Amino acid sequence: AQSVTQPDIHITVSEGASLELRCNYSYGATPYLFWYVQSPGQGLQLLLKYFSGDTLVQGIKGFEAEFKRSQSSFNLRKPSVHWSDAAEYFCAVGFNNAGNMLTFGGGTRLMVKP
Amino acid sequence: SAVISQKPSRDICQRGTSLTIQCQVDSQVTMMFWYRQQPGQSLTLIATANQGSEATYESGFVIDKFPISRPNLTFSTLTVSNMSPEDSSIYLCARTDNYGYTFGSGTRLTVV
Repeated sequence: AQSVTQPDIHITVSEGASLELRCNYSYGATPYLFWYVQSPGQGLQLLLKYFSGDTLVQGIKGFEAEFKRSQSSFNLRKPSVHWSDAAEYFCAVGFNNAGNMLTFGGGTRLMVKP
Repeated sequence: SAVISQKPSRDICQRGTSLTIQCQVDSQVTMMFWYRQQPGQSLTLIATANQGSEATYESGFVIDKFPISRPNLTFSTLTVSNMSPEDSSIYLCARTDNYGYTFGSGTRLTVV
């Protein structure tokens, strides 16, 4: 069965510093890849997605992610973090032959220091 | 992108009672999904709801506890039955479309 791993449960960065959140998946074929953000008490907001094509994907709020097939990774990056980026971030993987369901990673809680 | 309306947004319920959560999408879709997010946890798929057939439940979830209806291509309900405090979670519905996956805003359930 497919699985998604976010190795970092918590990350703290200073405002203005760069950010990278890791995501690894386990599956034999190329999946559909997503990053979602969830602010406290809020629903899920899609940051970006990868279906095919260019492996560097641009998203909203200045985020980007790079799909690396050889590493089965889809890490999320942002060059300069803002205090409003503090939230929970979820990587998710979907496979077209699995009924279109999404499998989520455990999430990474981002805290931003002033 | 797609719009999903989910209600109620939150509720506090007595143990032993049931709560039905409604999910309305703005365009027809074959499959809808129900997820649970326990406190401090990630999202776990409860079931996939296909219009015109029985829902498909994931391991650890059963129809008697989480009955699902899918009467048409734009609407689904999830019932949390005979609730206990362990059912306190956020429940989210979702659909797929050309933009990927769209989630409802969630139902925050507290069982006391």
